[in-house]
Amino acid sequence: EAQVTQNPRYLITVTGKKLTVTCSQNMNHEYMSWYRQDPGLGLRQIYYSMNVEVTDKGDVPEGYKVSRKEKRNFPLILESPSPNQTSLYFCASSQDRSSYNEQFFGPGTRLTVL
Amino acid sequence: AQSVTQLDSQVPVFEEAPVELRCNYSSSVSVYLFWYVQYPNQGLQLLLKYLSGSTLVKGINGFEAEFNKSQTSFHLRKPSVHISDTAEYFCAVSDQKGSQGNLIFGKGTKLSVKP
Repeated sequence: EAQVTQNPRYLITVTGKKLTVTCSQNMNHEYMSWYRQDPGLGLRQIYYSMNVEVTDKGDVPEGYKVSRKEKRNFPLILESPSPNQTSLYFCASSQDRSSYNEQFFGPGTRLTVL
Repeated sequence: AQSVTQLDSQVPVFEEAPVELRCNYSSSVSVYLFWYVQYPNQGLQLLLKYLSGSTLVKGINGFEAEFNKSQTSFHLRKPSVHISDTAEYFCAVSDQKGSQGNLIFGKGTKLSVKP
């Protein structure tokens, strides 16, 4: 089954404790991205990657890091989480960066930073 | 830059009634238009998209949307809703010539279908 998976689905942590949210897709997609969803704000892009070893900032990159060492994986790293990063995070992938492509979303990771 | 405005944050409706979810966009460049749906505790999935051609686009689950260039709108409609349509709906745009590949989302409309 074609899918985007994320782990963990739920995470409660404390300020300053480094964490990683994993994302994997099995569709051989070139393009992957991370969004955060906050009530009343919709989804905003954090980082994106057009291919292996190619990443770039989205609209709200502060406090986040990413890496793309393999085509299928695109982990999101919070080196020193803060309460304002409490949010619902979605990983997405699409065939390539073409803006007409459908994006496929993972199930989401709900992060709470205390 | 583009922006998307979803005019209603919540839309309550009775089962089998028609529904329209409104979306307006602003952009200085040509855009593609999308509607995504998010069912409770799930990720987003594509309902339909407008790329070019006929301004009336049909999607999954009986939804359709009409692109109106003069009014910069892309409203979503369904003639008869079901309980299972209860979800949050997001309108989104992308720059046709953009290199970032990202979507600009509206803030979402929560559709609540009551029996």
